[in-house]
Amino acid sequence: GENVEQHPSTLSVQEGDSAVIKCTYSDSASNYFPWYKQELGKRPQLIIDIRSNVGEKKDQRIAVTLNKTAKHFSLHITETQPEDSAVYFCAASMNQAGTALIFGKGTTLSVSS
Amino acid sequence: KAGVTQTPRYLIKTRGQQVTLSCSPISGHRSVSWYQQTPGQGLQFLFEYFSETQRNKENFPGRFSGRQFSNSRSEMNVSTLELGDSALYLCASSLVRGSTDTQYFGPGTRLTVL
Repeated sequence: GENVEQHPSTLSVQEGDSAVIKCTYSDSASNYFPWYKQELGKRPQLIIDIRSNVGEKKDQRIAVTLNKTAKHFSLHITETQPEDSAVYFCAASMNQAGTALIFGKGTTLSVSS
Repeated sequence: KAGVTQTPRYLIKTRGQQVTLSCSPISGHRSVSWYQQTPGQGLQFLFEYFSETQRNKENFPGRFSGRQFSNSRSEMNVSTLELGDSALYLCASSLVRGSTDTQYFGPGTRLTVL
């Protein structure tokens, strides 16, 4: 089955710096890769996703890149702000519909001002 | 449009008991997936229901089961509870229009097994 590795497990940056979180997956058939942000005591919220026919996607300060050959994808957050502090999870879908997600272990991002 | 709701929000049970958790998806969503979240294992997929049929399942003990009703509401049952079943149980719903769709998570049910 699918396995997703996520690094680093913790990341501390200064406000305004960039943050990069990397994930690798094992199943070459996976075609959908979402990123979720989870604040303490709250539910995971989708922040960006990418499908296997796209190499990069941007949404304001957030971007995701996908390298299908190497089976890895990354989340880039620029101009970080204290409110970006949260746990970030990458995931790969076990099915074509994107409804069975295998998650990485999460990255705790701390942005200090 | 109302979001995904889960009931109850908190549960305390003792070892050996069984528990049923409920998830109401966003109106019109036909798929409901269940996840277990623990500090040690992170977010783990349990199973997915689509149009009342289990479509995907991960390697969890048979004590974990679920079902989906014709209105897309889903229930998850855990029998013979163990201490290690203490976790936040999240469900997520998606529209599933034939292509990949976003999963929206509910607030979760916090289960504590004593």
